[in-house]
Amino acid sequence: AQSVTQLDSHVSVSEGTPVLLRCNYSSSYSPSLFWYVQHPNKGLQLLLKYTSAATLVKGINGFEAEFKKSETSFHLTKPSAHMSDAAEYFCVFGNEKLTFGTGTRLTIIP
Amino acid sequence: EAEVAQSPRYKITEKSQAVAFWCDPISGHATLYWYRQILGQGPELLVQFQDESVVDDSQLPKDRFSAERLKGVDSTLKIQPAELGDSAMYLCASSLWDGGTGSYNEQFFGPGTRLTVL
Repeated sequence: AQSVTQLDSHVSVSEGTPVLLRCNYSSSYSPSLFWYVQHPNKGLQLLLKYTSAATLVKGINGFEAEFKKSETSFHLTKPSAHMSDAAEYFCVFGNEKLTFGTGTRLTIIP
Repeated sequence: EAEVAQSPRYKITEKSQAVAFWCDPISGHATLYWYRQILGQGPELLVQFQDESVVDDSQLPKDRFSAERLKGVDSTLKIQPAELGDSAMYLCASSLWDGGTGSYNEQFFGPGTRLTVL
């Protein structure tokens, strides 16, 4: 079965420090993977997507993710956290049908 | 910028009552999705429409849930009767049609309707 596992339910970082949100996937074929962000009282927004082109994917707001087949991982990173990054982040598997991970809540410490 | 509209934003109801949620997708988006997001979890697909036809409703509890998209534009999701376990955020999303290839088209999400069943 195809699925994603988000390894941390909650991550806290100080403003200006790097962000790492971890995601592992399980798939019998080359997957399409995405990261979505959900701010309070707002709809889910696509941050970036991997569809078997470049393994390093750049998204909006300075986020990027690297697809590592050997590690079955698709971790989300950002060099320097900003207060506005505080939100819930979802790693997502699929093409037309999306399968969401359980989410990681990112808290930014001033 | 075009957005997916949903109403109401919040709904409180008592168990055994009927509730309905409305979604207006981005103009021109043929594919419409309803998701349910239980607190602390990721969204789960309930039903997917292609124009006015249901493509996937395998996870829709059909004994109490119904969804329609009569003219292939806006859509309504209904629960009757509501149960305590239905308390959740109900999200609507839309996307362009992939032409039947099954390839990815970005889904655009509305702000959701938060349902509380007492």
